[in-house]
Amino acid sequence: KNEVEQSPQNLTAQEGEFITINCSYSVGISALHWLQQHPGGGIVSLFMLSSGKKKHGRLIATINIQEKHSSLHITASHPRDSAVYICAVLPPGTASKLTFGTGTRLQVTL
Amino acid sequence: DAMVIQNPRYQVTQFGKPVTLSCSQTLNHNVMYWYQQKSSQAPKLLFHYYDKDFNNEADTPDNFQSRRPNTSFCFLDIRSPGLGDAAMYLCATSRLGQGLSNEKLFFGSGTQLSVL
Repeated sequence: KNEVEQSPQNLTAQEGEFITINCSYSVGISALHWLQQHPGGGIVSLFMLSSGKKKHGRLIATINIQEKHSSLHITASHPRDSAVYICAVLPPGTASKLTFGTGTRLQVTL
Repeated sequence: DAMVIQNPRYQVTQFGKPVTLSCSQTLNHNVMYWYQQKSSQAPKLLFHYYDKDFNNEADTPDNFQSRRPNTSFCFLDIRSPGLGDAAMYLCATSRLGQGLSNEKLFFGSGTQLSVL
């Protein structure tokens, strides 16, 4: 079992829909990252969370440390949101080893 | 403006011919990472620098080396590329604060390496 599990693995939505991507992890963490990767592209860091909730434009990320769970929400989805969304966690007291989830491939259609 | 810059965007090399990938940053971050990402897989950490301290992952092949001549630049050297080394190579930076509190990661756009 992976230490970081994401669901769903693949998601297709119509433009305008509200989207939720979930991430569950089984290890202690100091922070959790939500990352976005477009096909053939580099990675963009969307959020880094250690507690609570963060919002940036149409994106909202929440984390529940007790339940070891985080969600990424996209409101009013748009085709340009189509990408792979990756959850990654950072163990405490380390600069280095992010543990990555398997990613959620999102396709937003017109 | 791009803050973590990787060059080149695409690199083609021949089997066994040494290749160097470069990464530069304008953020003055003290930590720089190199990741390898193969198709449809999660990125895999190869090594990272905390300032000048080099930290190699245990399963990173000896074929992969890195140099960080100053804060801004970091290089990935592949001494004898094999076909299995074809991948996207991602550079990332972060600032490690006091108490080992890590801050947000910034990734470069990656270098797609092909080995012929």
